Amino acid sequence: GQNIDQPTEMTATEGAIVQINCTYQTSGFNGLFWYQQHAGEAPTFLSYNVLDGLEEKGRFSSFLSRSKGYSYLLLKELQMKDSASYLCAVLTGANNLFFGTGTRLTVIP
Amino acid sequence: GAVVSQHPSRVICKSGTSVKIECRSLDFQATTMFWYRQFPKKSLMLMATSNEGSKATYEQGVEKDKFLINHASLTLSTLTVTSAHPEDSSFYICSAKGLAGGPGTQYFGPGTRLTVL
Repeated sequence: GQNIDQPTEMTATEGAIVQINCTYQTSGFNGLFWYQQHAGEAPTFLSYNVLDGLEEKGRFSSFLSRSKGYSYLLLKELQMKDSASYLCAVLTGANNLFFGTGTRLTVIP
Repeated sequence: GAVVSQHPSRVICKSGTSVKIECRSLDFQATTMFWYRQFPKKSLMLMATSNEGSKATYEQGVEKDKFLINHASLTLSTLTVTSAHPEDSSFYICSAKGLAGGPGTQYFGPGTRLTVL
């Protein structure tokens, strides 16, 4: 079977750093995506990792360890607008994205 | 670029009726389109994958006679929920993939919230 685990909810303070973890067990692996989703809206692309290591893009960074089936999304200098759900998704085939249940992040003043 | 639209954004219908949801790629040709559903506080579940001009491939457990998918052109796919029931109430999201972009690159539409009374 396929499984992706993420914490259900997290809370962090404005200006701080937060790390959202994702572990996965899937039948195939062609890369791992992180998406941001505000309530009632479509997911928006944040990052894509296919090789081990850290990918940095502004305030957002994503890390992947394929041998451990592990990834994390790091958000720096948190802003109130970062309050959203963050979805970890594994590309299991050429096009098939398998999503985790998402982590609801609340940023407090 | 890479904009995907959905129509309608919200729809309320009576039990037993059919509802059609449109997904359009506005500025690129979508060789493949995907339909997802999302229940409250749950993640996206892939329902089906459709390639232009061919029959959709449905995920296990998704009734193809209930969720009719048509991908008649490179910019339009439709999902018809037939004989809708309250348990079909959900957030339906489409995504589209063109020839450009890396593996797995999908552009998501804004979603359609279906409420069946």
